[in-house]
Amino acid sequence: ELKVEQNPLFLSMQEGKNYTIYCNYSTTSDRLYWYRQDPGKSLESLFVLLSNGAVKQEGRLMASLDTKARLSTLHITAAVHDLSATYFCADSNSGYALNFGKGTSLLVTP
Amino acid sequence: EAQVTQNPRYLITVTGKKLTVTCSQNMNHEYMSWYRQDPGLGLRQIYYSMNVEVTDKGDVPEGYKVSRKEKRNFPLILESPSPNQTSLYFCASSPRQGTNEKLFFGSGTQLSVL
Repeated sequence: ELKVEQNPLFLSMQEGKNYTIYCNYSTTSDRLYWYRQDPGKSLESLFVLLSNGAVKQEGRLMASLDTKARLSTLHITAAVHDLSATYFCADSNSGYALNFGKGTSLLVTP
Repeated sequence: EAQVTQNPRYLITVTGKKLTVTCSQNMNHEYMSWYRQDPGLGLRQIYYSMNVEVTDKGDVPEGYKVSRKEKRNFPLILESPSPNQTSLYFCASSPRQGTNEKLFFGSGTQLSVL
């Protein structure tokens, strides 16, 4: 069964702290996607990771991909309230569908 | 402005009453897809389309129909809605799936079937 598992599913963190969200996937896909969803809103693409060892950074978020371990991480540096959202990872099975994880709900508190 | 437009944004209906959720994109994308989002389950793909007149089932196609007569439009049809189809629906498109392209999502349609 194709599966994408995110860890943790819920995360409450203080402003200024660092944390990492983990995404394990079970396919042999070599690409991994990260999306952000604000409450009541649509999904917005954050990162597309295309190869083993890929690392991408945007502001306080950094994503990486290890295809051998089938693991992607989303690292949050010095969190701020604006980062509060739900973060989804997704892999690509057969290239014609994105297989999403259940999402990590992040709450950044003062 | 490049976008994926879904209508309606909210819809309340009764069991068995046929409905259509429209989806249109203005980016000349080849690939379009429908997802449903349910609490605790993430997003699950219903149907996708690689191009005009080419559609295929996703993970949860039962109770849904789609058509792709034009490149820009990809409507989702519920012939006889049931309460278990109460969900948040998203349409998405990309230039060509399978080539590392990211998905652009519509604003979503919150459907309640009573």
